[in-house]
Amino acid sequence: AQSVTQPDIHITVSEGASLELRCNYSYGATPYLFWYVQSPGQGLQLLLKYFSGDTLVQGIKGFEAEFKRSQSSFNLRKPSVHWSDAAEYFCAVATDSNYQLIWGAGTKLIIKP
Amino acid sequence: DTGVSQDPRHKITKRGQNVTFRCDPISEHNRLYWYRQTLGQGPEFLTYFQNEAQLEKSRLLSDRFSAERPKGSFSTLEIQRTEQGDSAMYLCASSRGTNTDTQYFGPGTRLTVL
Repeated sequence: AQSVTQPDIHITVSEGASLELRCNYSYGATPYLFWYVQSPGQGLQLLLKYFSGDTLVQGIKGFEAEFKRSQSSFNLRKPSVHWSDAAEYFCAVATDSNYQLIWGAGTKLIIKP
Repeated sequence: DTGVSQDPRHKITKRGQNVTFRCDPISEHNRLYWYRQTLGQGPEFLTYFQNEAQLEKSRLLSDRFSAERPKGSFSTLEIQRTEQGDSAMYLCASSRGTNTDTQYFGPGTRLTVL
């Protein structure tokens, strides 16, 4: 069965510092991978997605993620965080048909001024 | 693109009552999904529709849960005889309908069962 693990429940980063959020997945075939962000009172917003091709994916708001098949990982990165990046971040994997997203438990990002 | 909308945004009910939530997808989207999210967890898939056809419903949490999309536009999720364990955020998403299309989420309906 497919599963997604986000090992960090909370991460605290100083404003302006770099960020890496970890995501590991379990899936037998080539997965479809997603990162979403959820801010309080807001719906989940897609940051980026990977289906195939270049393993380094660029997203919105300056985020990028790298698919590493050998490590079953899809870590999210940003070179310099802003206070507005404080939110909860979710990694998800899709099945072949993409009708059912399997989600990690999320990582809450806290920004220190 | 007016986005996915959900109504109500908040619902407080007493145990044993029935509740119904509505989701209006992005107008040209054929697929509509329902998820449940409990505190500290990621969303959990419940069911989805391709136009008016409900193509997957085995993940609905119990037979108290049902969903409809009668004309392939808006959808409703009903929970009968609510229990305290049903308290959660109920999320709706829509997509164009091919396997690689992005799912766009609504703001959710937060249900509290007293």
